[in-house]
Amino acid sequence: GAGVSQSPRYKVTKRGQDVALRCDPISGHVSLYWYRQALGQGPEFLTYFNYEAQQDKSGLPNDRFSAERPEGSISTLTIQRTEQRDSAMYRCASSWGGETQYFGPGTRLLVL
Amino acid sequence: AQSVTQLDSQVPVFEEAPVELRCNYSSSVSVYLFWYVQYPNQGLQLLLKYLSGSTLVESINGFEAEFNKSQTSFHLRKPSVHISDTAEYFCAVSVFNQGGKLIFGQGTELSVKP
Repeated sequence: GAGVSQSPRYKVTKRGQDVALRCDPISGHVSLYWYRQALGQGPEFLTYFNYEAQQDKSGLPNDRFSAERPEGSISTLTIQRTEQRDSAMYRCASSWGGETQYFGPGTRLLVL
Repeated sequence: AQSVTQLDSQVPVFEEAPVELRCNYSSSVSVYLFWYVQYPNQGLQLLLKYLSGSTLVESINGFEAEFNKSQTSFHLRKPSVHISDTAEYFCAVSVFNQGGKLIFGQGTELSVKP
């Protein structure tokens, strides 16, 4: 069956450019989560949605980061005016609304 | 606030030897506990979880973890490891009724040598 998919898998961009990272959750999953994982660290929570409503964005590091899930399915995480410190693996996960989250393969972002 | 500490960043072990990966957490409220595994070049996969009930939980590939409330620990064990267990292991917690967001430890890299 189809799992969580993310695109692109790799993104190289220049400092100052905007990037959009996409997450396609498992069909029917209510909740969608975004995490960021720096090299050698565990994933850190960024934000999550129930259906199309953003429930918690306390983990977004600053106002350059935003996320949306307009139809309650696919979600986009946007980083404006990228900086080198934004380089990381960005992970998306989805769940039925229960405790178990299913993770996608991640998008590795490199800001030059 | 909650936090998770994985006490070992790297654990080298020989094949068929036992292994324990340590995890301690800090929380003033009840939490759910998880172990996730990341095999090389793959995404995170749930290995096992503790929600309630029996404090000993098991995975399908022979790992087990025991929730110890008094010591706020959730150590992962396997009596005999295989080469294929080589991966990075992450301990995580989530707080009941707070949306399910996971708080992860820094990870332990398990390296199984022949």
